[in-house]
Amino acid sequence: EVQLVESGGGLVQPGESLRLSCAASGYPFSSYWMAWVRQAPGEGLEWVANIKDDGSEKYYVDSVKGRFVISRDNAKNSLYLQMSSLRAEDTAIYYCATYIITATIDCWGQGTQVTVS
Amino acid sequence: QSALTQPRSVSGSPGQSVTISCTGTSSDVGGYNYVSWYQQHPGKAPKLMIYGVSKRPSGVPDRFSGSKSGNTASLTISGVQAEDEADYYCCSFAGSHTYVFGTGTRVTVL
Repeated sequence: EVQLVESGGGLVQPGESLRLSCAASGYPFSSYWMAWVRQAPGEGLEWVANIKDDGSEKYYVDSVKGRFVISRDNAKNSLYLQMSSLRAEDTAIYYCATYIITATIDCWGQGTQVTVS
Repeated sequence: QSALTQPRSVSGSPGQSVTISCTGTSSDVGGYNYVSWYQQHPGKAPKLMIYGVSKRPSGVPDRFSGSKSGNTASLTISGVQAEDEADYYCCSFAGSHTYVFGTGTRVTVL
């Protein structure tokens, strides 16, 4: 069974940085793309970034380009999101997710709360 | 990277059918057969209900179905049940390894 557990969220001030982590288990982590998706309070889902299975390709939503960096460590079955220059509008629950099914965000973690205030 | 357009809410009595639309452009919904749908109950993570426009993952009841015509995808719940009351989001591949979600629809079972 696929299990994704996020950590690293918290309360930070505008302009500060934060690093989120996601520990994956139950499937061959190094074989699949991974994604971060966020949800602001009372709002909808927003795709944030994704990364290829070997880490060689990374893509971002325009609003975080130049501020967020997605990375992974396949030896540790872990996904990361380094967030810098945080803004109030980055306040959200951040979900780690898999792309086991082709071009489909399929399995989700329970999320970690990030508050910028 | 504009969000796909969904109705804010839909409702139906138990046993009725409800349909949620998801309108995008030829650069996302209309351009690829990679539309998925998610169910989200309050305080919970989203759950995949439909992928590849109309495919159901194992374990998803067959009362959930998906389709697409042009730039609009649809999710139909045939015979809605009380436990289907939740928020639903569509998502589409948008080219260049990017994705876009819909604005979300609250389904209310009357």
